[in-house]
Amino acid sequence: ILNVEQSPQSLHVQEGDSTNFTCSFPSSNFYALHWYRWETAKSPEALFVMTLNGDEKKKGRISATLNTKEGYSYLYIKGSQPEDSATYLCAFMKTSYDKVIFGPGTSLSVIP
Amino acid sequence: NAGVTQTPKFQVLKTGQSMTLQCAQDMNHEYMSWYRQDPGMGLRLIHYSVGAGITDQGEVPNGYNVSRSTTEDFPLRLLSAAPSQTSVYFCASSYGPPSSYTFGSGTRLTVV
Repeated sequence: ILNVEQSPQSLHVQEGDSTNFTCSFPSSNFYALHWYRWETAKSPEALFVMTLNGDEKKKGRISATLNTKEGYSYLYIKGSQPEDSATYLCAFMKTSYDKVIFGPGTSLSVIP
Repeated sequence: NAGVTQTPKFQVLKTGQSMTLQCAQDMNHEYMSWYRQDPGMGLRLIHYSVGAGITDQGEVPNGYNVSRSTTEDFPLRLLSAAPSQTSVYFCASSYGPPSSYTFGSGTRLTVV
């Protein structure tokens, strides 16, 4: 069983603060990493697909970086807004024919 | 474009009953997966399929069966429901690695 970890488990920030959280995965083999945003009572929605060491992706105020050699990815949110409140999931694939394993998620609450 | 459609949205079963959760997608995705969501544990993979006629076990397959006779459909069967199977079940599909998943809206199952 692959071990995909996320930290912190939960986070409360004030509106306007910037924040970041971590996804850790086994560094021995790497094929792809996904980030998803999951709002309460909805389904997860894809944010980024990351495949190369050193990848940096950006979507509005949200960005992500990837370090496959050390086995981690960071998700950054600049100037958090209440609508950013959600659980952020990462999902890891070791090889192109392997299953997709999700981390437990980081729950973000942005206080107005 | 319907995306990924799951039925039913809610279901209550008695211990020992069997049922099938339906999942259909109209995006011609090859990959389909079933996940269950439990508090504090994120999304855990039950079974997945990389194409019609091909299925494999995920992290928590016991008590569940799947089949993939067509590209569009990927039903999940509970053989003899147990209270431990009370959960929210998500079906997801993708074009294949490294593409991200599109999720259905979920089925909330309660086993009493």
